[in-house]
Amino acid sequence: AQTVTQSQPEMSVQEAETVTLSCTYDTSESDYYLFWYKQPPSRQMILVIRQEAYKQQNATENRFSVNFQKAAKSFSLKISDSQLGDAAMYFCAYRSYFGAGNQFYFGTGTSLTVIP
Amino acid sequence: GAVVSQHPSWVICKSGTSVKIECRSLDFQATTMFWYRQFPKQSLMLMATSNEGSKATYEQGVEKDKFLINHASLTLSTLTVTSAHPEDSSFYICSASPTAGGETQYFGPGTRLLVL
Repeated sequence: AQTVTQSQPEMSVQEAETVTLSCTYDTSESDYYLFWYKQPPSRQMILVIRQEAYKQQNATENRFSVNFQKAAKSFSLKISDSQLGDAAMYFCAYRSYFGAGNQFYFGTGTSLTVIP
Repeated sequence: GAVVSQHPSWVICKSGTSVKIECRSLDFQATTMFWYRQFPKQSLMLMATSNEGSKATYEQGVEKDKFLINHASLTLSTLTVTSAHPEDSSFYICSASPTAGGETQYFGPGTRLLVL
C-alpha cells in the first residue's frame, strides 16, 4: 500500500510571510494524483490544490503552489502571503491514477498556525 | 459544484442505541463514496468504501456488523452505528468522487457522534 508522510506535526508562520509544508510518499506506480486538503476548525475538508503526476509543471492556485519532485517522491505546499484564515490542519493525500473508486491515502497532517 | 452534505451534523445518543448518518452528493452522481473516522488531532482513517448497489468494502479492523453501510442510490450512502458505545464517539466524515472523472474526492462537513 502507498504511504504518505508529513514530517512536520506543527508549523507556524507570521502573517504575510511564506511557509512550506512538506510531504513525501512511497509508491511503485508511475501515474497518480497528489492533493493537499485543508481542514479548518470547522473540520470541513477543503481541497487546496491537486497535481497529476504525469504533469511536469507544478500546480498553482492563487497563493498556493506546490513543488512536485517525482523522482524524490516529494510534494511540498507553499503558502505565500499567509493570512489568518490559512490557519488549519493540512493533509497531503495520494490517489492512484486509474479508477474512479480508488481510495485516498492521507498523511498524518500538519497543523499550521498563523501569527498576527 | 461538487457539494456533499451530511446529516446530522452532530448527535448525542445513549449507549446501546443505533445511529444513522446520511451522506448525499447534491449536484453530482457518485458510484463510490467513502466513510472515514477521525479522532481529535489525528488524520482520517478510512473505514469503508461504499459502492452503489453492492456491498461495502471494509478496511481491516472495522467491524462490518457494527458499522452498517448502505449505498442505495448514486447520491446517497448511509452509515449506521449499531448498538453504539462510548468508544464509538468520534467524528465521522464521508466523501464522494463524481462518477465521471472522479479523481478528486469531495468531503461532507462531518458528523460528530457522542455516545453517553
